[in-house]
Amino acid sequence: GAVVSQHPSRVICKSGTSVKIECRSLDFQATTMFWYRQFPKQSLMLMATSNEGSKATYEQGVEKDKFLINHASLTLSTLTVTSAHPEDSSFYICSATGPNPGYFSNQPQHFGDGTRLSIL
Amino acid sequence: GQQVMQIPQYQHVQEGEDFTTYCNSSTTLSNIQWYKQRPGGHPVFLIQLVKSGEVKKQKRLTFQFGEAKKNSSLHITATQTTDVGTYFCAGLGDYKLSFGAGTTVTVRA
Repeated sequence: GAVVSQHPSRVICKSGTSVKIECRSLDFQATTMFWYRQFPKQSLMLMATSNEGSKATYEQGVEKDKFLINHASLTLSTLTVTSAHPEDSSFYICSATGPNPGYFSNQPQHFGDGTRLSIL
Repeated sequence: GQQVMQIPQYQHVQEGEDFTTYCNSSTTLSNIQWYKQRPGGHPVFLIQLVKSGEVKKQKRLTFQFGEAKKNSSLHITATQTTDVGTYFCAGLGDYKLSFGAGTTVTVRA
């Protein structure tokens, strides 16, 4: 149980393109979803936290107009990298907690397989 | 802000030997979680510790939460090739889960 699917797994596109990444919880309702960025051989850097039906909470230094997050349902969150540039190239990974309501940080996070984004 | 530091960054272990990875927080934590990420894979939840001084075991893995709830350790005995991967601790403080940099473990047979 607790499977999170992330799509696509890899994207290569030209500078200036907008890229949408989907994160789906397949067998549970995700009350909270998280978006991370991971640089090679480094840890997970939290970008934003999203709750279904409400605006995402972005971490300091993360541009909300650059990284658009939509959490329209309890099983789907999307991250759109708008007008992507080479410096946006990275490994983006989502996670989800749920379905138990309440304080999300007391629950384990279930991660997707990640999306490797390469901007040329 | 809250910082979670993890050492060592790399651990090269002879198969059959034991090793320990340590996690230290700049602030007191409400809980700490441990994850394992296999090469090319995604982090997978291993365990959560909540109580001061708590010790939990999963087969050859022993997890400990410090008395002051500012540090934690993961000890693996009799390392096997299946233990290869990066082990992350993640501490909850200031209502946010902060991940350590991870300890990447390689095993020589």
